[in-house]
Amino acid sequence: GAVVSQHPSRVICKSGTSVKIECRSLDFQATTMFWYRQFPKQSLMLMATSNEGSKATYEQGVEKDKFLINHASLTLSTLTVTSAHPEDSSFYICSASADSGQPQHFGDGTRLSIL
Amino acid sequence: GDSVTQMEGPVTLSEEAFLTINCTYTATGYPSLFWYVQYPGEGLQLLLKATKADDKGSNKGFEATYRKETTSFHLEKGSVQVSDSAVYFCALKVNPGGYQKVTFGTGTKLQVIP
Repeated sequence: GAVVSQHPSRVICKSGTSVKIECRSLDFQATTMFWYRQFPKQSLMLMATSNEGSKATYEQGVEKDKFLINHASLTLSTLTVTSAHPEDSSFYICSASADSGQPQHFGDGTRLSIL
Repeated sequence: GDSVTQMEGPVTLSEEAFLTINCTYTATGYPSLFWYVQYPGEGLQLLLKATKADDKGSNKGFEATYRKETTSFHLEKGSVQVSDSAVYFCALKVNPGGYQKVTFGTGTKLQVIP
């Protein structure tokens, strides 16, 4: 079946650094990728939707300059948390689909901890 | 590795029909199980959850029972409404080595017609 690889699975870094998370579709072309964030004891929150070759669409309240999303190819999307601070610590998960109406395939998620 | 298998959609039902969306899983350890719902144009929302065997999660008329013997967590609703039209995701969560790992199914699209 379709596989989505997310890397890294866990990252711990100092406040002020930038962190890049990769999301790759390994065996299909992902026209659309989604980035979610999960706060403790809450459900996933959609951060943004990206379509290959175009700018990501951010959900209300998500800072686009803080969370940079690049979807440069049909198999790779990246989320960069710029100048990360402790409040950015969270669980981030991506999903990918071949088209906007197709099933979403999820990565394993990334646990980000900012000290 | 961990995996979640749910029935492929789309599922089309008439209003007031009975709904079942099957979900089975494989996991090491003792996972928590979840159903999420995604309404058109929105992000995922937690619908219900169960954290141990024989627990029943319920919300908004939906129910699912954690069946360890059959490794299943089927979603049911006795009478669906047009407003239930959405994509439903089954998921499990384990905590290997102290950090969280969530595995999702691919989603089942439900369309309820008047």
